[in-house]
Amino acid sequence: GAVVSQHPSWVICKSGTSVKIECRSLDFQATTMFWYRQFPKQSLMLMATSNEGSKATYEQGVEKDKFLINHASLTLSTLTVTSAHPEDSSFYICSARDLLAGDQETQYFGPGTRLLVL
Amino acid sequence: GDSVTQMEGPVTLSEEAFLTINCTYTATGYPSLFWYVQYPGEGLQLLLKATKADDKGSNKGFEATYRKETTSFHLEKGSVQVSDSAVYFCALSDSGGYQKVTFGTGTKLQVIP
Repeated sequence: GAVVSQHPSWVICKSGTSVKIECRSLDFQATTMFWYRQFPKQSLMLMATSNEGSKATYEQGVEKDKFLINHASLTLSTLTVTSAHPEDSSFYICSARDLLAGDQETQYFGPGTRLLVL
Repeated sequence: GDSVTQMEGPVTLSEEAFLTINCTYTATGYPSLFWYVQYPGEGLQLLLKATKADDKGSNKGFEATYRKETTSFHLEKGSVQVSDSAVYFCALSDSGGYQKVTFGTGTKLQVIP
């Protein structure tokens, strides 16, 4: 149980284009999903917290107009990288908390999406 | 702010060797502590957790004890296997309602036969 999927698993795009990444909780409902960015040999950096039906909460230094987050349902959150540039190339990982689980602290992670902007 | 420091890798061990990966933290309040594992090509998975001082989390032969006096949560396993090769992340969840998780930089473990 508690499986989180991401799509696509990897994407290559041209500079200036927008890319949408989906994060789905497959067998549970998640009122809260998180988006992270992971640089090579570095830890996960929290970008934003996505709440179903409301605006996302962005971490300091993360441009909300560049990284658009939509959490339209209890099982789906999307991250859109707008006008992508090579410096946006990274590994993007989402996670979710199980609404109905007794443990409200554990996060379930997706497999990640590798973005390469040319 | 909260922070997690863990030993740099990679750590290379022979099969059946004893494993220790050090983790220390800085936090206000009373955080919960976690170890996550990331196998090659996969997402992070929760390995174990501890929610208060002196708690011991354990799973799959791994264990870690929440030491408030030394602000540490070191991961140990008595006899590693090749299948334990992965990246291990120490993390903490703050005790506020927001429950933001802060991760360490990860330690890559390679176990050789």
